Amino acid sequence: KAGVTQTPRYLIKTRGQQVTLSCSPISGHRSVSWYQQTPGQGLQFLFEYFSETQRNKGNFPGRFSGRQFSNSRSEMNVSTLELGDSALYLCASRLPGTGLTGELFFGEGSRLTVL
Amino acid sequence: GQQVMQIPQYQHVQEGEDFTTYCNSSTTLSNIQWYKQRPGGHPVFLIQLVKSGEVKKQKRLTFQFGEAKKNSSLHITATQTTDVGTYFCAGYTGNQFYFGTGTSLTVIP
Repeated sequence: KAGVTQTPRYLIKTRGQQVTLSCSPISGHRSVSWYQQTPGQGLQFLFEYFSETQRNKGNFPGRFSGRQFSNSRSEMNVSTLELGDSALYLCASRLPGTGLTGELFFGEGSRLTVL
Repeated sequence: GQQVMQIPQYQHVQEGEDFTTYCNSSTTLSNIQWYKQRPGGHPVFLIQLVKSGEVKKQKRLTFQFGEAKKNSSLHITATQTTDVGTYFCAGYTGNQFYFGTGTSLTVIP
């Protein structure tokens, strides 16, 4: 069974640009959540989607947005990039039937560098 | 706001020594999970604790959840080089997981 797939794996952008990251969950997983990982802050929750609806959102500015499609694939977008947005963006999917607290299956991440 | 603090941030041990990392939450947690992230890798689930005072073991790893469900610990007995990585706790409350900042474990052969 394929794991969580994130694309692109690496990307470099400049300040002011926008970026879109993609995540394909494990087949059958309908919940997808996004995390930002930085050396100083650890993993910080961005948002979670279930059945195309945003179920919860972390404490990030409105420049960070996401969506989920009917096939459970998810995208996140960051507009007007800032240097501080440089991070590893991790997507995680969850087993169905585990409610809100099931094991998170993480992808390899998309490493964003903002110059 | 909600925080999950994790200590220590770094730990260097000789192979064969024990290792412990601690997590503390400012609020009561519904449950707590532990993850391991190898260098250059992604977090991988280790275990979930739900009950107050729960203790679970996986071979050389022992996980505890505090009586008040505000703290947790991971103890590794007789570390091996394969234990190298960063260990994160993730406490669930308020409809989301709050990850600790992680403890980076280095095992010296």
